[in-house]
Amino acid sequence: QQQVKQSPQSLIVQKGGISIINCAYENTAFDYFPWYQQFPGKGPALLIAIRPDVSEKKEGRFTISFNKSAKQFSLHIMDSQPGDSATYFCAATSNFNKFYFGSGTKLNVKP
Amino acid sequence: NAGVTQTPKFQVLKTGQSMTLQCAQDMNHNSMYWYRQDPGMGLRLIYYSASEGTTDKGEVPNGYNVSRLNKREFSLRLESAAPSQTSVYFCASRAVNTEAFFGQGTRLTVV
Repeated sequence: QQQVKQSPQSLIVQKGGISIINCAYENTAFDYFPWYQQFPGKGPALLIAIRPDVSEKKEGRFTISFNKSAKQFSLHIMDSQPGDSATYFCAATSNFNKFYFGSGTKLNVKP
Repeated sequence: NAGVTQTPKFQVLKTGQSMTLQCAQDMNHNSMYWYRQDPGMGLRLIYYSASEGTTDKGEVPNGYNVSRLNKREFSLRLESAAPSQTSVYFCASRAVNTEAFFGQGTRLTVV
């Protein structure tokens, strides 16, 4: 049983558009929700993260929206650029113990 | 600063062969992890070590063993490789209450 469900599996966006990736979880004990970005041939790297006591966190063009009651969180990439083309993983953890990852979203930003 | 280093980067094994994947981190992190990444499955935790001298099973431990040799090193052993273990393997480490840092991955093919 997957602890974190992620959608869509792939996403094509035009340059300058908004990319939106969604994740949902069931375990209410999760208290930290990071997003990782992975380029081909590389390991995942932390992009942005949020705790459930806030509903939104923004860092540059990247924003996490968090809905605690719905147990959902999403990543928004504003003004998407070809350099953003990568695979994105959401994750969740409780007390920074085990990290559970979503299945990943392959983003392709077309010039 | 090397971060998390995995060796080898690529490996081809025949069914039934054994091998050990090596991981070392130079960030003085307490916790270390082994994940496997398969298409459409995201990252799944194989084993983790919360601190030197301890190891615990993750989501998919069958067919694997681990050794936390010291604080820096955490190895993953396949005793009798199977085609189902063809995957990309990632080692990660983290300090207390921080995100996980990943290595570059080991691409393993079992034929």
